[in-house]
Amino acid sequence: DTEVTQTPKHLVMGMTNKKSLKCEQHMGHRAMYWYKQKAKKPPELMFVYSYEKLSINESVPSRFSPECPNSSLLNLHLHALQPEDSALYLCASSQEPAGGYNEQFFGPGTRLTVL
Amino acid sequence: GQNIDQPTEMTATEGAIVQINCTYQTSGFNGLFWYQQHAGEAPTFLSYNVLDGLEEKGRFSSFLSRSKGYSYLLLKELQMKDSASYLCAPGSFQKLVFGTGTRLLVSP
Repeated sequence: DTEVTQTPKHLVMGMTNKKSLKCEQHMGHRAMYWYKQKAKKPPELMFVYSYEKLSINESVPSRFSPECPNSSLLNLHLHALQPEDSALYLCASSQEPAGGYNEQFFGPGTRLTVL
Repeated sequence: GQNIDQPTEMTATEGAIVQINCTYQTSGFNGLFWYQQHAGEAPTFLSYNVLDGLEEKGRFSSFLSRSKGYSYLLLKELQMKDSASYLCAPGSFQKLVFGTGTRLLVSP
């Protein structure tokens, strides 16, 4: 299984809602990532989990809260988002954190719209 | 800090060869990745260079010069399905930083 899955595929939420994005991989990878991608822009790193511990937070606002319940799962909890947070949210995983040769495998993404 | 530069857009015809250049300045460099991303889809891995020189993989090749902070992706025998964005991504410490990407349009 060389796949990263993400649910939901699409999400529309209001600014007062609380929702969660889910990501799963069964490749035995020990590093997992959240990226945000706006239209016609490259993916921007948000968080890195290494061995289930948060190792990088790229100064992301606290309305985004990551969680890694186990080595296969990664969640992104969303609360009080703004319309400018509308984007494609990509999850990725790699065998080890990206030092040396560590290809990142990306999931298909969740397209989030904040009204 | 990080600074990655790629052309914004390139066009080419089917069957041709195209070279996409990338220059970068980054701390803690440990290799350079190229990813392909079709519109509305996730990025997929194309190549990785850690040592200077050319890595060939079928129709795609990638070159790296660490001393010059320079890489290129060479695509041969272009096909219509190669129309996509190509992202240069230097790896440093625990993360990749993606360049702005080069949108390649292949025409018949």
